[in-house]
Amino acid sequence: EIVLTQSPATLSLSPGERAILSCRASQNIRTYLAWYQQKPGQAPRLLIYDASNRATGIPARFSGSGSGTDFTLTISSLDPEDFAVYYCQQRSSPFTFGPGTNVDIK
Amino acid sequence: QVQLQESGPGLVKPSETLSLTCTVSGGSVSSGSDYWSWIRQAPGKGLEWIGYIYYTGDTNYNPSLKSRVIMSVDTSKNQFSLKLRSVTAADTAVYYCARVLSSSWLDYWGQGTLVTVSS
Repeated sequence: EIVLTQSPATLSLSPGERAILSCRASQNIRTYLAWYQQKPGQAPRLLIYDASNRATGIPARFSGSGSGTDFTLTISSLDPEDFAVYYCQQRSSPFTFGPGTNVDIK
Repeated sequence: QVQLQESGPGLVKPSETLSLTCTVSGGSVSSGSDYWSWIRQAPGKGLEWIGYIYYTGDTNYNPSLKSRVIMSVDTSKNQFSLKLRSVTAADTAVYYCARVLSSSWLDYWGQGTLVTVSS
């Protein structure tokens, strides 16, 4: 099973600032990584798949990069609606998720 | 727009079987390009993938739950289902159903349903 680790666990920022979230895989997963956003009481929402492709309807301020074992989700300028928990996920069976990064308001 | 809706009992007794159904609208479980998945999230915890099913009935389960999980699909009702047997308090969670894009990514999710295991 591939283990994903995310850092930091919590990121405290102000609206308008840039957020950089990290996800590391326990083995090479090429570009087979997705990012999800989850707000309290809601289902996760797919943001990025195949490491760098934005899902339908996702704003351009969200971007993903990386390959192999190290990946990054960047939010170029935080909107108030972006404060949430972010999870990464890899697609080798069994699918696994990282523990999440909580982006909260500073 | 694909929509998914979970349904089933919100309370299950220990040692019994948890049964949930996901009804799909705006799309078809018989679509040859899609798989259909269950994911759960214990209160205050992260996401755990349970498994997925294809319209042919082919399945892929998480090894950590494989001995207790059965998934099925009903193409006539455009639904797929989850059964988890011999539940314990550790199975208390919000259960989500989702569509699997390109057999990899979870692009449409249901709103989730909380299942509590308690006597």
